[in-house]
Amino acid sequence: DTEVTQTPKHLVMGMTNKKSLKCEQHMGHRAMYWYKQKAKKPPELMFVYSYEKLSINESVPSRFSPECPNSSLLNLHLHALQPEDSALYLCASSQAGPTSYEQYFGPGTRLTVT
Amino acid sequence: AQSVAQPEDQVNVAEGNPLTVKCTYSVSGNPYLFWYVQYPNRGLQFLLKYITGDNLVKGSYGFEAEFNKSQTSFHLKKPSALVSDSALYFCAVRDDPYGQNFVFGPGTRLSVLP
Repeated sequence: DTEVTQTPKHLVMGMTNKKSLKCEQHMGHRAMYWYKQKAKKPPELMFVYSYEKLSINESVPSRFSPECPNSSLLNLHLHALQPEDSALYLCASSQAGPTSYEQYFGPGTRLTVT
Repeated sequence: AQSVAQPEDQVNVAEGNPLTVKCTYSVSGNPYLFWYVQYPNRGLQFLLKYITGDNLVKGSYGFEAEFNKSQTSFHLKKPSALVSDSALYFCAVRDDPYGQNFVFGPGTRLSVLP
């Protein structure tokens, strides 16, 4: 099973709302990622968790708050977003450690901030 | 710092003809190279990777890629294009086997015309 699932598929939220994006994988991967992707652009790395610890935070605004409750789950908590945060949010996972493993991506959550 | 270039925004090819999507890279160490494909409103799908070994790498859906160290290139190829290959293609690189930061190229849109 090489599937990464993400919920919800679509999300519309106002600038004062609080919402969460969820990601799950059952491949035994110990590295999980959040990316932001604007239309027709490459994914931009936001956060990396390795062995459930935050290892990379690419200077993302604090209105985005990641959480890794266990090795299979990854959440992204959203609060007080701006319209420019509207994008496709992709979750990915990979093996962790000293080798060059490919990442497996979920289908994404299409976020619209109104 | 590592970087990836995809010199063509758009590639058009007739169905049944061979296709090539170009990628060049810049890394300070040994390159670890990947190709991903993205269909509309979907996540990225892994196609193939080069870590070490044979310069010609075979991947999913009949795609292959040729690693050329002297030209710092990793072009994606397929002998006979299908209309269903029409999608957005991303080349990615990491130069640190311990690191988890992929750098994606800007993407190339492939259109296969019937």
